[in-house]
Amino acid sequence: DQQVKQNSPSLSVQEGRISILNCDYTNSMFDYFLWYKKYPAEGPTFLISISSIKDKNEDGRFTVFLNKSAKHLSLHIVPSQPGDSAVYFCAASAINDMRFGAGTRLTVKP
Amino acid sequence: DAGVTQSPTHLIKTRGQQVTLRCSPISGHKSVSWYQQVLGQGPQFIFQYYEKEERGRGNFPDRFSARQFPNYSSELNVNALLLGDSALYLCASRIGEGQGSYNEQFFGPGTRLTVL
Repeated sequence: DQQVKQNSPSLSVQEGRISILNCDYTNSMFDYFLWYKKYPAEGPTFLISISSIKDKNEDGRFTVFLNKSAKHLSLHIVPSQPGDSAVYFCAASAINDMRFGAGTRLTVKP
Repeated sequence: DAGVTQSPTHLIKTRGQQVTLRCSPISGHKSVSWYQQVLGQGPQFIFQYYEKEERGRGNFPDRFSARQFPNYSSELNVNALLLGDSALYLCASRIGEGQGSYNEQFFGPGTRLTVL
């Protein structure tokens, strides 16, 4: 059951431009949302999160937007840097349960 | 400070065998979760343990079991291995239950299981 979907398997952007990664979820019980970044041979690393009571959370170059009515969240990276190249997973959480999307591979070209 | 550690790094088993994977959480973390990541997919939730009790279970068959020890380390056991169990098994720890910026989850590097 794919309760969390990332419909773009890959995204390529130029250094300095904005990267926008999208994620949709189906279960309205989810109330906490996260983005993780994963490099090869490493476990996912927490990047940024947002509670369902907010619609935006910023941390430096990273901003997560949440649209509860559309059950959609997005991650904006501005400006994108080559070191941001990785696989990005969105995750949706309820108590004692967390579901991940399939991931989007971001490539930032110099 | 040491992060989440998992052992072994890689493992090769044959169909029908049993396997035990181990996880040591970050010091002070009392909650451990297990995930299975098949190639090309995101991690899938298997179990969450907190204070040695099972707090959550994903949609996995009874061949999968886990436990948490008094020192908060954890083991994941998989019986009667199938080819489809080949995956990266991730362990994650957090301070406690619940969710929020105070209780983020930290992942280990995973154990790569190959079933032949």
